[in-house]
Amino acid sequence: AQSVTQLGSHVSVSEGALVLLRCNYSSSVPPYLFWYVQYPNQGLQLLLKYTSAATLVKGINGFEAEFKKSETSFHLTKPSAHMSDAAEYFCAVSVPGNDMRFGAGTRLTVKP
Amino acid sequence: DAMVIQNPRYQVTQFGKPVTLSCSQTLNHNVMYWYQQKSSQAPKLLFHYYDKDFNNEADTPDNFQSRRPNTSFCFLDIRSPGLGDAAMYLCATSKGQGTTRSYNEQFFGPGTRLTVL
Repeated sequence: AQSVTQLGSHVSVSEGALVLLRCNYSSSVPPYLFWYVQYPNQGLQLLLKYTSAATLVKGINGFEAEFKKSETSFHLTKPSAHMSDAAEYFCAVSVPGNDMRFGAGTRLTVKP
Repeated sequence: DAMVIQNPRYQVTQFGKPVTLSCSQTLNHNVMYWYQQKSSQAPKLLFHYYDKDFNNEADTPDNFQSRRPNTSFCFLDIRSPGLGDAAMYLCATSKGQGTTRSYNEQFFGPGTRLTVL
């Protein structure tokens, strides 16, 4: 079965600094990969998705992620953090015929 | 705008008193999901409907039931809520494709936060 591991339950960056949230996946078949963001007391919002097209995926709010098959990774980055980026981020993996599996989440804190 | 709507946003119930949470969608998606999310944890899939087919996760307690009367609506029934059922309940939808049941991105509602007294 497919799974994802998010390295680091908490990440703290200064405003304007690089954001790097790590996600590694495990799958026996080519996966679909997703990043979602969740603000307090809200549902999950899709940031971006990889579905076997371009390996570098650009999403909303200036985020992007790169699919690296050799490293089984799909890390999320943003060049310059903004205070409004503070939230919980979930990486998820899906393969045809199976349900989406979420990572444990990474809480991003942005310091002024 | 097409969306997933959950009502109510906040629900308070008493220990053992049945409660129903509702979800509706205007996306015309054929797959609908219910997740339970506890504080600082990932969403946990309870069950989903693919069209009219109900799919229960193996570890979902019998206390949780679901109904989908039509494409647009789905309900989560908790027959006898316990203190451990206090959580955020998220409804999501997706577009299932073909007989391979390939699951695409999921669109989430804002959630219902359930408090059990």
